[in-house]
Amino acid sequence: AQSVSQHNHHVILSEAASLELGCNYSYGGTVNLFWYVQYPGQHLQLLLKYFSGDPLVKGIKGFEAEFIKSKFSFNLRKPSVQWSDTAEYFCAVSSGGSNYKLTFGKGTLLTVNP
Amino acid sequence: NAGVTQTPKFRVLKTGQSMTLLCAQDMNHEYMYWYRQDPGMGLRLIHYSVGEGTTAKGEVPDGYNVSRLKKQNFLLGLESAAPSQTSVYFCASSPRGYNEQFFGPGTRLTVL
Repeated sequence: AQSVSQHNHHVILSEAASLELGCNYSYGGTVNLFWYVQYPGQHLQLLLKYFSGDPLVKGIKGFEAEFIKSKFSFNLRKPSVQWSDTAEYFCAVSSGGSNYKLTFGKGTLLTVNP
Repeated sequence: NAGVTQTPKFRVLKTGQSMTLLCAQDMNHEYMYWYRQDPGMGLRLIHYSVGEGTTAKGEVPDGYNVSRLKKQNFLLGLESAAPSQTSVYFCASSPRGYNEQFFGPGTRLTVL
């Protein structure tokens, strides 16, 4: 069964710092990859997604992610975080083996201090 | 479009009581899902549906039942609530299983 690992449980940064959140998955075939964000008290919203093509994907609010197939990774980055980026971030993957659903990582809580 | 809506937003139950959570989507999506979210556990899939009249078990189905009588609605039932079912429940829908999912606002359930 596929699995998704998010290495950091809680990341604390100051405003203007750069961000990189790690995500690794276990499936060896074709995958679709997603990053979702959940602001405090709200539902999950899509930040960006990768299906095929350019492995560097740009999403909303200045976020981007890079798919590295050889490392089974899809790390999320932002050059300069803001206080409003404080949220929980979830990586998710769907694969050919179970393409009816997404498998989510456990999430990374990002706290940005002003 | 309202997207995905959930009813109710909050609910407090006593152990042994039953209730039904309603999810509705107006995007004509085939796939619908129920998740529970607990601190440190991420989202865990309870049940899902790949179309009207179909349902299937997810990762943590015990203690829950579902029905999808209409394409736009997906109901989650708790027949005899237990404190372990205290959680935030999210419904989601998707046009195709491998595509992005659209989430509802969630239902916060407390079982005493």
